[in-house]
Amino acid sequence: AQTVTQSQPEMSVQEAETVTLSCTYDTSESDYYLFWYKQPPSRQMILVIRQEAYKQQNATENRFSVNFQKAAKSFSLKISDSQLGDAAMYFCARMNRDDKIIFGKGTRLHILP
Amino acid sequence: DTAVSQTPKYLVTQMGNDKSIKCEQNLGHDTMYWYKQDSKKFLKIMFSYNNKELIINETVPNRFSPKSPDKAHLNLHINSLELGDSAVYFCASSSTGADSYEQYFGPGTRLTVT
Repeated sequence: AQTVTQSQPEMSVQEAETVTLSCTYDTSESDYYLFWYKQPPSRQMILVIRQEAYKQQNATENRFSVNFQKAAKSFSLKISDSQLGDAAMYFCARMNRDDKIIFGKGTRLHILP
Repeated sequence: DTAVSQTPKYLVTQMGNDKSIKCEQNLGHDTMYWYKQDSKKFLKIMFSYNNKELIINETVPNRFSPKSPDKAHLNLHINSLELGDSAVYFCASSSTGADSYEQYFGPGTRLTVT
């Protein structure tokens, strides 16, 4: 089965510190997309960052960056200078060209003031 | 401007009833999806439509019937509601012509079956 695994159900980080959320996945495809979505208490699903598997360069979006290791099928999210507004559930997701997206079970991130 | 909207946001109903959730996107996307998020926050795809045609149909009871009157709408009708149907249902859309395939989500509909 093609799966997405987030091994950390919950994490905490001090405000202004850096935290890394882990994600591994399984796929037989060579061309696919990877995403991190954030779900704050408002329940809205918000795209944080995306990575095309064919691109070797790690994606970055302001304080958010990824460490994409294609051979290891690893796609971790690093949040720098954590802010209180970063507190949320974070979902890692993978989508193949068949357009089916698979989500991990999520990591709940707490920001400690 | 709301990109992907769902109505209603909250739905409380009794077992055995039939209900519908509506979804509309104004992004010009050609693909729309329904996801179910259970009480443990696990998100799972239910259906996907591309240009009004069903392209993904996961193992979902046939009490659930999606309907896409046009590319901008994907409604979800649920017959004979059961307690286990209680969840948050998300609609999403994407464009297959885009480079990234990212999906834009609606605000979710919290369905509570009593």
